[in-house]
Amino acid sequence: DAGVIQSPRHEVTEMGQEVTLRCKPISGHDYLFWYRQTMMRGLELLIYFNNNVPIDDSGMPEDRFSAKMPNASFSTLKIQPSEPRDSAVYFCASSFGTGGTGELFFGEGSRLTVL
Amino acid sequence: QQQVKQSPQSLIVQKGGISIINCAYENTAFDYFPWYQQFPGKGPALLIAIRPDVSEKKEGRFTISFNKSAKQFSLHIMDSQPGDSATYFCAASGTSGSARQLTFGSGTQLTVLP
Repeated sequence: DAGVIQSPRHEVTEMGQEVTLRCKPISGHDYLFWYRQTMMRGLELLIYFNNNVPIDDSGMPEDRFSAKMPNASFSTLKIQPSEPRDSAVYFCASSFGTGGTGELFFGEGSRLTVL
Repeated sequence: QQQVKQSPQSLIVQKGGISIINCAYENTAFDYFPWYQQFPGKGPALLIAIRPDVSEKKEGRFTISFNKSAKQFSLHIMDSQPGDSATYFCAASGTSGSARQLTFGSGTQLTVLP
């Protein structure tokens, strides 16, 4: 079975541009998570969905960040406008049935560089 | 309350040695304690996990030791191999309120020398 698929793997953009990161969770999983990883702050949970519904977005740093999950097989994380401090690796993860108390399956990440 | 403190930040071990990584938590609502392994350019992957009804769990060369009264847990890697070189994250979560989702430690970069 295919794992969690993220795109793009690498994105370099200039400050002020819109960035859209995409995620396809594992088929059948009902939880989807967006994490951000930086050297300074480690792995931070940004937002998570259950059955396509956003449950907790308290980790989203500011209004420039938004996430959607229009169906069970697709989610996006959008940053508009982007800033250099948004440079990080963004991970999407999915799980079945257990939310945060079971195994999370991570994608390979999208490395974002904002110049 | 939500923090999981992990140490050391980095660890260098000779091949065949024992690697030990420690974590401590404050939130008594946590009842699930996994360890994730991350190789460069990859996402974290579940390595081993424990729940507080047992004090130790072993899977091959990897062992979690759990001390509920001290609110500490640790990962031991026996007979460490160069292929174990990776970043290791402890994490914790619970079943109620804000503890429902995983809180990760800051990570330990392990290097096993050949």
